[in-house]
Amino acid sequence: DAKTTQPNSMESNEEEPVHLPCNHSTISGTDYIHWYRQLPSQGPEYVIHGLTSNVNNRMASLAIAEDRKSSTLILHRATLRDAAVYYCILRDVGQFYFGTGTSLTVIP
Amino acid sequence: DAGVIQSPRHEVTEMGQEVTLRCKPISGHDYLFWYRQTMMRGLELLIYFNNNVPIDDSGMPEDRFSAKMPNASFSTLKIQPSEPRDSAVYFCASSPAAGMAYEQYFGPGTRLTVT
Repeated sequence: DAKTTQPNSMESNEEEPVHLPCNHSTISGTDYIHWYRQLPSQGPEYVIHGLTSNVNNRMASLAIAEDRKSSTLILHRATLRDAAVYYCILRDVGQFYFGTGTSLTVIP
Repeated sequence: DAGVIQSPRHEVTEMGQEVTLRCKPISGHDYLFWYRQTMMRGLELLIYFNNNVPIDDSGMPEDRFSAKMPNASFSTLKIQPSEPRDSAVYFCASSPAAGMAYEQYFGPGTRLTVT
């Protein structure tokens, strides 16, 4: 199974951009990169996904390196509601393999 | 749509008792997943179904665990007999397809405590 590596924790000031990195050096050519987040006492929530090109949606942006061995989730203006654990996942058919994720703290 | 529905939200039981967790996936989704989350092991996939048929149950920890999906709108995860080490949050998720571009939608989870 393809693995991902993320920092255990990060901090950000409120209303500032946040860049959450993820390394996936063993990614295959057909693996999609998915990001989920889990707010306290809730189930994981889909954030964004991509294959090769950078992606934007209402929640975040996903920047994918040209060699696809790393990616960055970008929250353009962190709010207190963005405090969560963020998971970077390589999507294999039928399954997700969640790692330990990055715990994001947003400082008021 | 109401999203994925799980019941109960909290369950406290004594060791040795049977526990049944329930899940209603999003209508029209062909895939259903059961996960378990603990502090020690994080989020683990237990089993998943496609069109009500179990596809991969390699994550089910032991024979005390069983899962069924009698129809497209209902699934159960049963633990018999329960043990304290089964204490965890159990999540159900559904997906419209298994293709790698599709996301999963998670329910709110059932927090199980076995004393």
